[in-house]
Amino acid sequence: GAGVSQSPSNKVTEKGKDVELRCDPISGHTALYWYRQRLGQGLEFLIYFQGNSAPDKSGLPSDRFSAERTGESVSTLTIQRTQQEDSAVYLCASSLENSNTEAFFGQGTRLTVV
Amino acid sequence: DQQVKQNSPSLSVQEGRISILNCDYTNSMFDYFLWYKKYPAEGPTFLISISSIKDKNEDGRFTVFLNKSAKHLSLHIVPSQPGDSAVYFCAATYRNSGNTPLVFGKGTRLSVIA
Repeated sequence: GAGVSQSPSNKVTEKGKDVELRCDPISGHTALYWYRQRLGQGLEFLIYFQGNSAPDKSGLPSDRFSAERTGESVSTLTIQRTQQEDSAVYLCASSLENSNTEAFFGQGTRLTVV
Repeated sequence: DQQVKQNSPSLSVQEGRISILNCDYTNSMFDYFLWYKKYPAEGPTFLISISSIKDKNEDGRFTVFLNKSAKHLSLHIVPSQPGDSAVYFCAATYRNSGNTPLVFGKGTRLSVIA
């Protein structure tokens, strides 16, 4: 596709349930990032995939959060046993290898934990 | 510890005047800086960037200034237009190692009043 695609666009889940968020990056982009934005806050880094290198997981807030990426394509962010504080917009971005320049963002998934 | 700081959460400017958005950073290893613009319910979009080897980069109505000694950068928009009303995020990264996710500030909400 032309841009970064995220699904679902909105997700409401009950506290304690697991959720899976999906990101389709721009074709050819080897770098993929997950960020989240909680209400009134900035963009909080979660995890970064770059080609075949080990992912940078330093931003994951707890072991309930995990992410995978299949080759240089789709990535899924999984949150287990969701808590109300996990409510946020989860944003995925991708960029060209070694560019460290412009990262293109998807529209995000708005997660609401009730 | 916030490495990228945008100390003004909001800014209001009259149409046609200059908008100046400020950003400070603490990590002296950062060597590449970006500004992103975000409208409600959309992902952030890249606006302009600057490398640490420069002190100014201009693109149409948008100019970014970098003061390395002060660890400060600013985005100037002139003339400001109502369509510029959005949240502006400052971001920074460094290129010397493999995994370098963008570090974002909390954003400044710009309102351009007609």
